[in-house]
Amino acid sequence: SQQGEEDPQALSIQEGENATMNCSYKTSINNLQWYRQNSGRGLVHLILIRSNEREKHSGRLRVTLDTSKKSSSLLITASRAADTASYFCATGSGGYNKLIFGAGTRLAVHP
Amino acid sequence: GAGVSQTPSNKVTEKGKYVELRCDPISGHTALYWYRQSLGQGPEFLIYFQGTGAADDSGLPNDRFFAVRPEGSVSTLKIQRTERGDSAVYLCASSSGLAAYNEQFFGPGTRLTVL
Repeated sequence: SQQGEEDPQALSIQEGENATMNCSYKTSINNLQWYRQNSGRGLVHLILIRSNEREKHSGRLRVTLDTSKKSSSLLITASRAADTASYFCATGSGGYNKLIFGAGTRLAVHP
Repeated sequence: GAGVSQTPSNKVTEKGKYVELRCDPISGHTALYWYRQSLGQGPEFLIYFQGTGAADDSGLPNDRFFAVRPEGSVSTLKIQRTERGDSAVYLCASSSGLAAYNEQFFGPGTRLTVL
């Protein structure tokens, strides 16, 4: 079963615009991670935010976590065509960090 | 190695056949995970190894699925009597330890097609 639910399911924007994706989950977590997946390729880890953190930045990425609402958001600023991919949130829980993924957001960035 | 590798990259088989999928984790990583990703969905957890032992196999869908990691490095996912519903991309990931915050590094996956 999948815990995370991403919103929206699909997002289409122009290059230079910002893209925001949201993720909700159901149970308590150790951490929440965001991954990118290009068509036909493996998952690339983007960023990990711990349950006791509220915001984290990495380059053009900004992730927030609200454990009271069991939700997270991923913001990609100044998007590029190369950002076109599917983005997944995954919650890590338990002592060995078993990941539970959402269904993903398909982002299309048009030149 | 430089990253997690998986072989074969693609596998086409007939219903009822047996298949083996291999995962070679990053050298030194003690934790190894298998996930399955169906079309249009996120990956779903199958099994987790810490060293040689399967610490959690709760995600294996039924007893046709089995995985081993005999020397604590390479792992093989084995599927008996394959069914069309087994068609998916099988992903392997490894991480450096048991800690709750260790990043998992994913391989490129094996795309299994059962005809």
